[in-house]
Amino acid sequence: AQSVSQHNHHVILSEAASLELGCNYSYGGTVNLFWYVQYPGQHLQLLLKYFSGDPLVKGIKGFEAEFIKSKFSFNLRKPSVQWSDTAEYFCALYEWNSGNTPLVFGKGTRLSVIA
Amino acid sequence: DSGVTQTPKHLITATGQRVTLRCSPRSGDLSVYWYQQSLDQGLQFLIQYYNGEERAKGNILERFSAQQFPDLHSELNLSSLELGDSALYFCASSVEGGRYEQYFGPGTRLTVT
Repeated sequence: AQSVSQHNHHVILSEAASLELGCNYSYGGTVNLFWYVQYPGQHLQLLLKYFSGDPLVKGIKGFEAEFIKSKFSFNLRKPSVQWSDTAEYFCALYEWNSGNTPLVFGKGTRLSVIA
Repeated sequence: DSGVTQTPKHLITATGQRVTLRCSPRSGDLSVYWYQQSLDQGLQFLIQYYNGEERAKGNILERFSAQQFPDLHSELNLSSLELGDSALYFCASSVEGGRYEQYFGPGTRLTVT
């Protein structure tokens, strides 16, 4: 079965630092990829998605992610984080050969942004 | 606001009891998913319904069951509750099956005492 790995469990950054959160997956076929954000006490919200085309995907709030098929990766980036980016970030994958099975989520990365 | 609604927002109940959580998907979405989120287990997929039929099952206990009604709203029934069932329960919906993005509701926080 496919899996999604987010190796960073907790990342602590100062405001204005650049962010890169790792996401790797195990499936070699066609995939749809997603990043979700969960602010403290809130539900998951979609940050960005990749279905096909340009591997560099821009999302909301200045986030972007790059799909690198050869590395089975879909890392999330932001050039300059703000305190309000403190949240948990989840990478998710849909494998096209899986039929209509649901998204597979990673375990999440907690981001703490300090002043 | 994702368009997915969940009731109630909070629920406090005792061990051994049964509760029902309700979810209304976004207008036009046919798939509904249920997730459990706790500090120790993280986000766990429970079950998916598509247009009234069960489509996929995840880590759902036998004490838990769900259904999706003709109007596409869904209910998650939790019975014989244990302290460990205390968690956030999220519902999500998507247009069709799994390949599209899911939109999450605000969640129901269940506390079992």
